[in-house]
Amino acid sequence: EDKVVQSPLSLVVHEGDTVTLNCSYEVTNFRSLLWYKQEKKAPTFLFMLTSSGIEKKSGRLSSILDKKELFSILNITATQTGDSAVYLCAVESLTRDTGNQFYFGTGTSLTVIP
Amino acid sequence: EAGVVQSPRYKIIEKKQPVAFWCNPISGHNTLYWYLQNLGQGPELLIRYENEEAVDDSQLPKDRFSAERLKGVDSTLKIQPAELGDSAVYLCASSRTGRGSPLHFGNGTRLTVT
Repeated sequence: EDKVVQSPLSLVVHEGDTVTLNCSYEVTNFRSLLWYKQEKKAPTFLFMLTSSGIEKKSGRLSSILDKKELFSILNITATQTGDSAVYLCAVESLTRDTGNQFYFGTGTSLTVIP
Repeated sequence: EAGVVQSPRYKIIEKKQPVAFWCNPISGHNTLYWYLQNLGQGPELLIRYENEEAVDDSQLPKDRFSAERLKGVDSTLKIQPAELGDSAVYLCASSRTGRGSPLHFGNGTRLTVT
């Protein structure tokens, strides 16, 4: 059964701390791994990773994928209160028969305290 | 580009009543998804469309849920009759068919069944 597991489930840090969020997966026909940030509404897209070892970076956020060990991490440096959100990991599976399917983890709830 | 548009944002109904949600995907996105998200959980797929065709509806409770995407653009998700356990956020997402296209989500409809 395809599955995506995120850890920790929740995290409380102080402003300025650095956090690492984890995502491990067991998905057949892997195509990509995606990270989303969800505040009180729609998940917003952060990164799409397809190749191992290549870091993607956007400001204070960065992410990397390890396709051999089947996991990804999302790092946030110098956290701010605006980083408080649920961070979702999704894995895309692509097959000729079923097309694109996305499997989501349960998310990591991050709270940044001033 | 305009994002995925969903309506209504909130809906409160009594159990056994019908309810419908509407979604307009991003222009040019052939693939449309309806997801259900319970509190503290990741999105779970209900149905996926490629243009007008429902290519994956295996998780849709067909005794009470139905969906349509008649012209391959807008989509409607209906529940009839609603049950207390249907209270959740219903998310619509779209993507370009094929490789390298992340999901883009609408703001969702928060349904409360009383």
